Amino acid sequence: DIQMTQSPSSLSASVGDRVTITCRASQGISNYLAWYQQKPGKVPKLLIYAASTLQSGVPSRFSGSGSGTDFTLTISSLQPEDVATYYCQKYNSALLTFGGGTKVEIK
Amino acid sequence: EVQLVQSGAEVKKPGESLKISCKGSGYSFTSYWIGWVRQMPGKGLEWMGIIYPGDSDTRYSPSFQGQVTISADKSISTAYLQWSSLKASDTAMYYCARASSVGYDGVPNDYWGQGTLVTVSS
Repeated sequence: DIQMTQSPSSLSASVGDRVTITCRASQGISNYLAWYQQKPGKVPKLLIYAASTLQSGVPSRFSGSGSGTDFTLTISSLQPEDVATYYCQKYNSALLTFGGGTKVEIK
Repeated sequence: EVQLVQSGAEVKKPGESLKISCKGSGYSFTSYWIGWVRQMPGKGLEWMGIIYPGDSDTRYSPSFQGQVTISADKSISTAYLQWSSLKASDTAMYYCARASSVGYDGVPNDYWGQGTLVTVSS
């Protein structure tokens, strides 16, 4: 089974900072990678799919990149409403595996 | 408007059985795979399995194979997740989530249910 590893597990940054989260697949998955945002006490929300395509309605400060085994989610200017846990998910097969999550807080 | 509405919170004892539901509306229920996701208290998301309501084709994560049963009743646009004998370690929030593309299982999830909290305690 392909494992998805996220880093860091948590981070604290100031409003306006550029934030980068990494997701690594144990085997190549082409660009079959999605990112989700889960705010405290809320339902997960799809942010990005196909590694870099923004879901409709997602602010443009979010972006994704990568292919193969290494992927990144970037928030270009962190906002207070971005406090959440972010998960990557691979979907190159019917076995959709999530990464362990990265908790983003405001410093 | 696409909606997935899940059944309410449950409190059960170890060894009891349980079936929770997820009712879809606002789209062709039989054309989109629906998956189930577990989130244990304070932990991350775990993908459990997926079902195609059109023909009840089902896939399970190896971690959950044999531990739960996923089913669907297309006549009432409802998917189910069930346990035959609950354990304390089944205590978690369970989400259903729709696949984002018609007919495809290996795609991200664009719509999610509100979650069903299952508490198993003696």
